[in-house]
Amino acid sequence: EAQVTQNPRYLITVTGKKLTVTCSQNMNHEYMSWYRQDPGLGLRQIYYSMNVEVTDKGDVPEGYKVSRKEKRNFPLILESPSPNQTSLYFCASSLYLAGAYEQYFGPGTRLTVT
Amino acid sequence: GQNIDQPTEMTATEGAIVQINCTYQTSGFNGLFWYQQHAGEAPTFLSYNVLDGLEEKGRFSSFLSRSKGYSYLLLKELQMKDSASYLCAVQDNTDKLIFGTGTRLQVFP
Repeated sequence: EAQVTQNPRYLITVTGKKLTVTCSQNMNHEYMSWYRQDPGLGLRQIYYSMNVEVTDKGDVPEGYKVSRKEKRNFPLILESPSPNQTSLYFCASSLYLAGAYEQYFGPGTRLTVT
Repeated sequence: GQNIDQPTEMTATEGAIVQINCTYQTSGFNGLFWYQQHAGEAPTFLSYNVLDGLEEKGRFSSFLSRSKGYSYLLLKELQMKDSASYLCAVQDNTDKLIFGTGTRLQVFP
């Protein structure tokens, strides 16, 4: 089944404790992206990747890191989480960035930082 | 700046027709997407418009006017399962996808 998977789905952590949210897709998509979704603010892009070893900042990259060492995986790293990073996070992928290529979203990771 | 506006909430009755509007001001335009998002779930693709006019897909249609910076999503024969948020997203001239804050639609029996 074609899908984007994320782990964990739910995470409660404390300020400053490094964490990684994994994202994997099995559709051989070139483009992958991370979003956060907050009430009243909609989906905002954190980082994106056009292909292996190519990553770029989105609108809200501060406090996050990513890597794209393999085509299928695009982990999101929070080196020192803070309470303002409490949010719902979505990973997404599409065949390419440009054109009529829909993005497929993972199920989401609800992160709470205390 | 880049801006996408949608109504925050709408209500409608089962079996009716509802139109959800989206206006945008972005750095260029390379396409417009509509996504559906049920509460607590991931967004899923509904439609894509790049040329002016109406795209029909079953009970859902999407319209685009590039000169007016305007789109709408039309949902016909509403069903209870259509209760969800509907996200308008515009690709700007760098192909970056910018999302609106979404319209929460509640369908009542």
